[in-house]
Amino acid sequence: DGGITQSPKYLFRKEGQNVTLSCEQNLNHDAMYWYRQDPGQGLRLIYYSQIVNDFQKGDIAEGYSVSREKKESFPLTVTSAQKNPTAFYLCASSIPGATLAPTGELFFGEGSRLTVL
Amino acid sequence: AQSVAQPEDQVNVAEGNPLTVKCTYSVSGNPYLFWYVQYPNRGLQFLLKYITGDNLVKGSYGFEAEFNKSQTSFHLKKPSALVSDSALYFCAVSLDSNYQLIWGAGTKLIIKP
Repeated sequence: DGGITQSPKYLFRKEGQNVTLSCEQNLNHDAMYWYRQDPGQGLRLIYYSQIVNDFQKGDIAEGYSVSREKKESFPLTVTSAQKNPTAFYLCASSIPGATLAPTGELFFGEGSRLTVL
Repeated sequence: AQSVAQPEDQVNVAEGNPLTVKCTYSVSGNPYLFWYVQYPNRGLQFLLKYITGDNLVKGSYGFEAEFNKSQTSFHLKKPSALVSDSALYFCAVSLDSNYQLIWGAGTKLIIKP
């Protein structure tokens, strides 16, 4: 079955450590996204990528980094510069619309919950 | 500023009754509107979307939503609620000139037996 796989599901980090969250998709989608979800807030966009070897900052990119070396993979690194990294992280993918607007739906992974100790 | 509002943090409905989860938006340009559902500790699942055409959109699991341009609303509805509909519901909007989705804060729907 096609879908998006995020790993790990739960991750604990000590302050000052970098961690990398994995996101793999086999939907053959061009566009991939990373969102952060905090209680009582909507999803906030961290980074997105419309095509391999290209990515753009979202609203809250500070303290995060990504790469897009393969169409299937879009890993997110949470660096020590991120001041409040404890959150639920969601990866998604979509087929970009003709006008570059996401007129198609997003497909989400099951999420990764990061806790900083 | 462009925004999406879900005015109710929580909606409580008895099983079998109709349900409505409200969403209003404030954007310039032509909006594309979406509803997603999230079960605890899971990713979001697409329910339905409005791009153009008929203002009443039907989606998954018996849900529907009505686009009202004059009231800038896109309320989610279901004629008869099930306990299994209990979840967190998100409204989102994108613009035909913008690649990003703007998300509401979410509404927790609780269906009581």
